[in-house]
Amino acid sequence: NAGVTQTPKFRILKIGQSMTLQCAQDMNHNYMYWYRQDPGMGLKLIYYSVGAGITDKGEVPNGYNVSRSTTEDFPLRLELAAPSQTSVYFCASSYGYEKLFFGSGTQLSVL
Amino acid sequence: GESVGLHLPTLSVQEGDNSIINCAYSNSASDYFIWYKQESGKGPQFIIDIRSNMDKRQGQRVTVLLNKTVKHLSLQIAATQPGDSAVYFCAEILSSGSARQLTFGSGTQLTVLP
Repeated sequence: NAGVTQTPKFRILKIGQSMTLQCAQDMNHNYMYWYRQDPGMGLKLIYYSVGAGITDKGEVPNGYNVSRSTTEDFPLRLELAAPSQTSVYFCASSYGYEKLFFGSGTQLSVL
Repeated sequence: GESVGLHLPTLSVQEGDNSIINCAYSNSASDYFIWYKQESGKGPQFIIDIRSNMDKRQGQRVTVLLNKTVKHLSLQIAATQPGDSAVYFCAEILSSGSARQLTFGSGTQLTVLP
């Protein structure tokens, strides 16, 4: 099993550009999450989804959008990228709210 | 709001010794706790979990202790190996309204010395 797959692994954006971070899981998990991790810090929840068609905001949703059209995919959209969005982004999935399985992350720099 | 915190940002131990990583939490409503390990350049990896109706749980070379009286959580790693070098996060489930979300602490960097 591939588990949770994130693409791309690295990306550099200019201020004001937009992009989509892709996330796919093959474990048939209902719950999916997007976290960001700033250097030396813990993970902050951006958005989460409890099933296809259902999304909700986490702790730091401003500047991001998500959609969940299928169980497998949970893309994260950045509109009008800002330097404050420079971070490592992790997608995760779980069967319930508890044991999360994480992808390997996307390192994003906004210059 | 209430959040999970860690006592020490870094911990160095000799190879073969036991490691103890501590975590404090302040929300008495938290009923589930997880320890994750994050190696450099990788995503967090589940190590062990514990529910609030337990005070101890053992895994392979790891033990999690929960002291609800003082709201303290610890991760013990037996016979620490070089491969244990990583950042360790504790996380708690905060039950607030209809949402149950994991809140992560800032992590402890464990370095295993030869």
